[in-house]
Amino acid sequence: LAKTTQPISMDSYEGQEVNITCSHNNIATNDYITWYQQFPSQGPRFIIQGYKTKVTNEVASLFIPADRKSSTLSLPRVSLSDTAVYYCLVGSRDTGRRALTFGSGTRLQVQP
Amino acid sequence: DTAVSQTPKYLVTQMGNDKSIKCEQNLGHDTMYWYKQDSKKFLKIMFSYNNKELIINETVPNRFSPKSPDKAHLNLHINSLELGDSAVYFCASSQDGRNGYTFGSGTRLTVV
Repeated sequence: LAKTTQPISMDSYEGQEVNITCSHNNIATNDYITWYQQFPSQGPRFIIQGYKTKVTNEVASLFIPADRKSSTLSLPRVSLSDTAVYYCLVGSRDTGRRALTFGSGTRLQVQP
Repeated sequence: DTAVSQTPKYLVTQMGNDKSIKCEQNLGHDTMYWYKQDSKKFLKIMFSYNNKELIINETVPNRFSPKSPDKAHLNLHINSLELGDSAVYFCASSQDGRNGYTFGSGTRLTVV
């Protein structure tokens, strides 16, 4: 399984754009990249998934360079409610069946 | 309707007891999982269950046994509970390991 490395924590202010980068140097050809958000006392929630280039949905954007050895989750204009832990995971359909491994995540604290 | 539901939400019990946690998903997914989140907030996979194939994480004590009566249910039975079993247990599901996991809201187990 590809190992991921993320910053342990980040601080931001309301209204700012937040970019969280994840390194996955040994990502395999069949692996896709998925980001989750977890609030205290809740289960992780799927945010976005991508394989290459850029993916955008109503919540976030995911930027993946050509070598796919890293990815960046971009949260536009964060609010206090975006304070949470963000996890980056990589895995294929096969490893997804066997269950993906969560790292320690990035704890984002948004200040007023 | 809740996509992945777990019961109970809270469970307090004495050491040595046997308890079960139930999980149901109404998403039509074919793969279900149990994760354990300890006090340090690390999410660790315990089991995954796909098309009658049970994949066991070898670090899980055999006091833990998953039971899947059908594709929509994956229950977790724990025998001879120990203090170290105290944690939040999350159930999740996915369609063939792809397109993200959907998590339940968790069961907080406290062993006293």
